[in-house]
This record gives sequence, C-alpha cells and structure tokens, in this order.
Amino acid sequence: EVQLLESGGGLVQPGGSLRLSCAASGLTFSITGMSWVRQAPGKGLELVSTIDGSGGTTYSGDSVKGRFTISRDNSKNTLYLQMNSLRGEDTAVYYCAKAGLDYWGQGTLVTVSS
Amino acid sequence: DIQMTQSPSAMSASVGDTVTITCRASQGISNYLAWFQQKPGKVPKRLIYASSSLQSGVPSRFSGSGSGTEFTLIISSLQPEDFATYYCLQHNSHPFTFGQGTKLEIK
Repeated sequence: EVQLLESGGGLVQPGGSLRLSCAASGLTFSITGMSWVRQAPGKGLELVSTIDGSGGTTYSGDSVKGRFTISRDNSKNTLYLQMNSLRGEDTAVYYCAKAGLDYWGQGTLVTVSS
Repeated sequence: DIQMTQSPSAMSASVGDTVTITCRASQGISNYLAWFQQKPGKVPKRLIYASSSLQSGVPSRFSGSGSGTEFTLIISSLQPEDFATYYCLQHNSHPFTFGQGTKLEIK
C-alpha cells in the first residue's frame, strides 16, 4: 500500500524559510515522479512543483518559481520542498502526491504570518 | 500556461439526480485530463484519469468523457456521499493546472 507522510509545516514569518518533507513507502520511489500540491484556506488546488524519478527534471509554477525548490533523496525515499522568501499567500495545506496524483499524503499546514 | 475553466462553479441537486460538470481547456490537451473529488477537510481523491478511465474502487455512476478542449464529468443517480467539490486537472503540459472547482450541494 502506498503511503505518503508529510512533515515540516508550521508557522513562519513573512520572508522566512521552511522545508517540507514527504516520506514515501509502498512504491518504487526512485522511478516515480512526485509532486507538491497546495490548497489555501477555502480555495482550490494548485500544483506547486513536480520532479521526475531521478530528480533530474523539475517543474514549478510561476507563483513559486525562484523561491521554492523541489528535490528528492531516493536513498531515503523522501521528497522535499524548500520554501524561501515566504509570503502570506503561501499559507496553505501542502500535499505531496505521487505522479498522476492517484495517491496523496494527508497534508501539512504552512502558515505565513507575523 | 493552459487555463482550465470549470462550469458551473456551484450547483445543487437532489439524491438520485444526474449531474454534469464541464471543464474547458484554453488549448488542446488530448485526453490528459483527470477528475478529483474533495470533501471538506479531506484529501482530494482521483476519480477519473485519461479523460474517461475510472479509478479502481470508484463507483460506476461516475463517468468522464471528452478530448481536446471539452470534457465532462457525469454523476448518475447521485448518492449522499457524492456531495463534495470536484476539480479537473490537465496534465498535458507543464505547469499542470486545475480547474477552479465545482461545489455540488444538496438541494
């Protein structure tokens, strides 16, 4: 059974940084593309970043480009999202998801506020 | 970026009704379209992939169709557990983009 478990969310001040992690199990992680999807309170879904299985190819949405970096450690079956220069509009639940978005984690809340 | 426009943004229906939700892409996306259901406070769940393929375990009252720029999700014989928000997603080209969502409420 595929399981994805996010961690690392919390309260951070504007301009601050945070790193999210997603521990994966039940899949061949090193060949599986992964994504981060976020949902601001009361809003819709936004795909933030995607990475291929090797980590060699990444994509990020315009709203986070240059501030967020997706990466992975296949030896640890773990996906990361490094978030820098955080803004209020980055406040959201962040989900990690398997390529195809057929499996999702439970999400971790990031709150950007002073 | 490809824009995905869902309609309606909200609707109400009764148990037993059949409802149709539409998603329109700003450019052709072949059949790279998925549908998701999300209930309040819950994780989104994929219902349909490749426009019309039913995700394992999803009831057959859900069906999807379309190709190119026009797609539909049909829910037949609505059940109480179907009242939720539905999203489409195009994964033809990066950045992948969701529709704004359709909130389906009980009449």
